[in-house]
Amino acid sequence: GENVEQHPSTLSVQEGDSAVIKCTYSDSASNYFPWYKQELGKRPQLIIDIRSNVGEKKDQRIAVTLNKTAKHFSLHITETQPEDSAVYFCAASRGGSQGNLIFGKGTKLSVKP
Amino acid sequence: GAVVSQHPSWVICKSGTSVKIECRSLDFQATTMFWYRQFPKQSLMLMATSNEGSKATYEQGVEKDKFLINHASLTLSTLTVTSAHPEDSSFYICSARAQGGQTQYFGPGTRLLVL
Repeated sequence: GENVEQHPSTLSVQEGDSAVIKCTYSDSASNYFPWYKQELGKRPQLIIDIRSNVGEKKDQRIAVTLNKTAKHFSLHITETQPEDSAVYFCAASRGGSQGNLIFGKGTKLSVKP
Repeated sequence: GAVVSQHPSWVICKSGTSVKIECRSLDFQATTMFWYRQFPKQSLMLMATSNEGSKATYEQGVEKDKFLINHASLTLSTLTVTSAHPEDSSFYICSARAQGGQTQYFGPGTRLLVL
């Protein structure tokens, strides 16, 4: 079935450094790739998303790149801050009319002051 | 905009009872709602997809007779966990998506503890 692999599972960086999280997907029909940030005990919050007709998208300190040929996409956070500490999930839409999301297993990002 | 609420935020119940969780889109019409469960330190596992006015589509391995889903209006979906058992204890989160959109907006989740 469809699968989304996410790496690394944990990531620790110093404040001000960059953080990169990578995901691969298996469904060639996937065309929508959102990233969510989830703080402990809270709801996932959409931070950025990209569609298959775009290779890169940036929003201030956050950027996402997509390589459809290789079926992988990445989240880049620059100038990290302690408040960026959270679990980040990538997701890929499932092909078909429902367009469900298949989530990666998450990356716990810790930003040390 | 795009606010989704969920009620209750937490519930404790005895084994064998049924629990109903509501998911509401507050400022948009959600033609599709999704129900997930999340175990501690794990990812979001899709349980089912519900479209307004039609039967829910369940993921493989999810018992449709145990997890009853109703999506009777464009702003409300409910999940009923029937005859709950301790292994059903989890964090249940809904999300909602507007017609023609791809973005899913999540509710705050419901923490269920079955004793």
